[in-house]
Formats: sequence, structure tokens, C-alpha cells
Amino acid sequence: EAGVTQSPTHLIKTRGQQATLRCSPISGHTSVYWYQQALGLGLQFLLWYDEGEERNRGNFPPRFSGRQFPNYSSELNVNALELEDSALYLCATAWGRTEAFFGQGTRLTVV
Amino acid sequence: AQSVTQPDIHITVSEGASLELRCNYSYGATPYLFWYVQSPGQGLQLLLKYFSGDTLVQGIKGFEAEFKRSQSSFNLRKPSVHWSDAAEYFCAVGAKDYGGSQGNLIFGKGTKLSVKP
Repeated sequence: EAGVTQSPTHLIKTRGQQATLRCSPISGHTSVYWYQQALGLGLQFLLWYDEGEERNRGNFPPRFSGRQFPNYSSELNVNALELEDSALYLCATAWGRTEAFFGQGTRLTVV
Repeated sequence: AQSVTQPDIHITVSEGASLELRCNYSYGATPYLFWYVQSPGQGLQLLLKYFSGDTLVQGIKGFEAEFKRSQSSFNLRKPSVHWSDAAEYFCAVGAKDYGGSQGNLIFGKGTKLSVKP
């Protein structure tokens, strides 16, 4: 069975551009969680989507946004990129309130 | 506010030696507690979790952790470390306010484990 799939693996963007990161859940999973893992800051919770709705949001500015599609896949959009947005972005998915499984992440580099 | 502290940024142990990684949390009620492991370039893998009941929790790969409410701690242990255990380890707490979600977590900053031959 396929695990959580994130694409692209690596993404290089220029400051001020927009980045779109994608997450495909394990079959049957309906919840998607996004995390930012920046050097020196650890893992920080970004967003939680469940059944197409945003359930919770971490302490990030509004230029971080996302959505969940009817097939439960998800996109994370980061607008007006700043150098400090460079990080590994991890997606995790779960069925309801059960254990969350993590993908391998998208490495975003802002230059 | 909830928080998780992992006091040790980097620990080096010899292969075959015992291991204890420390984790302290701040939370008003009984939390959900987790330990994850991350190998270089990889996502996170759940080692074990505590919700309630027996305070000594067994996990995968020979790891165990003990919940101590009086010390607000959830330390991870392994009796004999293998070279393949070299990785970064994260302690996390989940908020029951969010319907018991196991993905809405607050993580510590991690402890990097190196293993000497």
C-alpha cells in the first residue's frame, strides 16, 4: 500500500514568488496535517484539514494557506515567499483521530 | 500554553550501551504524548504513544517510554543501542481539545543521536 506522497521533492523559488506543495494521503485517510521544519525552529504545526474543512491553524501569517480536495489530497500555498520560508514541509495524514503517518516532505528553498 | 522541551540537542552513545532521551512537557491536563524518529532526508516515524493507562509504554524497535505525571516527563529508553538507531528523535504532545487528533501536535526541537562503534 502506498504511503503519504508529497510533491515535488524539492522546490526552488525566488523571494516574492508563490509556492504550491501537494500531498496525497494514504487510501482511506481523510485528515491532512501540514508542518514546517525549519533549521533551528523544529517542527511547527501549520494547518489541519479534515473532510474538506480547515479544523485548526498554527501561528503562521495568512500568506500560508491551503485546501483539501474531494479526494482528500491537499495543497499548501505559500504566497509572497520570504527567505525564512526555506524549510522542509511535511505532510501527515490520518483516518479520523487515529495515528498520523508522515510523508518524506518537500524541501523548499527560497533564493 | 502547551510546550515540549527536549533538553539534549545532541547525544552520543556507544553501540550496545543503554539510551535515555529526555522530554518534559507543559500542559494543563493529561496529554497525549508521542515519540517520533526521523532519519536523514526522511519523514517521521512513530515509535510509541501514551494516552492513558499503564505509564510504561512499549514501542517499535525495542524502545519504551515512561510517563511520569509528577515530573511532567516522558523519557524514551532503549536498553541496547544499535548503529541503525542513529537519527533525530522528537517528543510531541497532542491537545485533547482538538477531539483527540493524533496529528495536531506540538513538537520538541529534537535530540540528535549519534552511535559510536
